[in-house]
Amino acid sequence: GIQVEQSPPDLILQEGANSTLRCNFSDSVNNLQWFHQNPWGQLINLFYIPSGTKQNGRLSATTVATERYSLLYISSSQTTDSGVYFCAVLNTGTASKLTFGTGTRLQVTL
Amino acid sequence: GAVVSQHPSRVICKSGTSVKIECRSLDFQATTMFWYRQFPKKSLMLMATSNEGSKATYEQGVEKDKFLINHASLTLSTLTVTSAHPEDSSFYICSAGPPSTDTQYFGPGTRLTVL
Repeated sequence: GIQVEQSPPDLILQEGANSTLRCNFSDSVNNLQWFHQNPWGQLINLFYIPSGTKQNGRLSATTVATERYSLLYISSSQTTDSGVYFCAVLNTGTASKLTFGTGTRLQVTL
Repeated sequence: GAVVSQHPSRVICKSGTSVKIECRSLDFQATTMFWYRQFPKKSLMLMATSNEGSKATYEQGVEKDKFLINHASLTLSTLTVTSAHPEDSSFYICSAGPPSTDTQYFGPGTRLTVL
């Protein structure tokens, strides 16, 4: 099956710093989503981005499907950004079954 | 955005009992829902695909007799952990997506602890 790797696995930032999270996938995909899992376990949809670039406030994402990677940019980080960030992909022909990446655990400190 | 709810949010049970977890799509109908399991500090692993009006499809290595799935309506899927044991303790999360979209929305999860 498709492999989805995220980097870095862990990241500690001071409030106000910027960061880039990466998601690499091993096969062609129909869909890619970015999620933030908060400390209570809730997965929050950030982006649906099978290709191109999108921005939402301090967050933006870019997917280059032909090169099989996606990037999530967090600018001016805040303590509420802490948690785990997952990318998840929908492999071509797998009927909406998402495969999750390994995750990036982000801690934003004061 | 679409809303998916789960109930209960947390359950503690004795070894050998069965536990039922509900997943509801609140503002859309879903012919398909998905059940995931997440161990501490790990990623989400798909357990099964719940299909309205037909049998669930289980991923390799998931015991269908241990994890019973029922998708009796277009807004409700249930996961029953039968004869639970401590190794079944985990965080269980469901997802569903509105028709004609690939976007999945996730429930808040159920934390199961088996003593």
